Amino acid sequence: RKEVEQDPGPFNVPEGATVAFNCTYSNSASQSFFWYRQDCRKEPKLLMSVYSSGNEDGRFTAQLNRASQYISLLIRDSKLSDSATYLCVVNSWGNQFYFGTGTSLTVIP
Amino acid sequence: GAVVSQHPSRVICKSGTSVKIECRSLDFQATTMFWYRQFPKQSLMLMATSNEGSKATYEQGVEKDKFLINHASLTLSTLTVTSAHPEDSSFYICSAQIGQGNQPQHFGDGTRLSIL
Repeated sequence: RKEVEQDPGPFNVPEGATVAFNCTYSNSASQSFFWYRQDCRKEPKLLMSVYSSGNEDGRFTAQLNRASQYISLLIRDSKLSDSATYLCVVNSWGNQFYFGTGTSLTVIP
Repeated sequence: GAVVSQHPSRVICKSGTSVKIECRSLDFQATTMFWYRQFPKQSLMLMATSNEGSKATYEQGVEKDKFLINHASLTLSTLTVTSAHPEDSSFYICSAQIGQGNQPQHFGDGTRLSIL
């Protein structure tokens, strides 16, 4: 079983839509969780860390469900510029980072 | 602003050439850096963990004699692709954590390597 699993998509949504991604992880002792955004032919950029209490940054909301071992990312009012691949990253055992395969999002005008 | 700098961003060279890629942490010390490779439309693959002052830890299937890693200072790790061949053409990305523990990784801009 993979450490981190994501639905690769693609998700094609109209501008203004709300879209949600989930990511499951296998190690219940995982310490920290992150969402990254990767544009085509670019490096991943940190979008937000995911805290146990959930956190919001503008149109983006991240949540962690430890009981079910998944994290989620919700994007409201999608913009064309949100089109990218979203990577789920889980940190276990100190500096052991596990990456999901990424979920591709295309926002359509 | 960028916290990790990677150089060069683009390399095109002939088969058999060795290519060195630098990864620098800006304004912070990184005892650990990570090297990834990404083929088109595929996910990031961790190649090795670079440890300052000691040998790198390579992932299974990554040849340590092919991909030489040196982490001689707390702000610089280098990856040398030795005797590169067309199949080594890929996007190579480094990353580092600010501090340790639960901190996220920050990525360099990546190096697009093309071997002719």
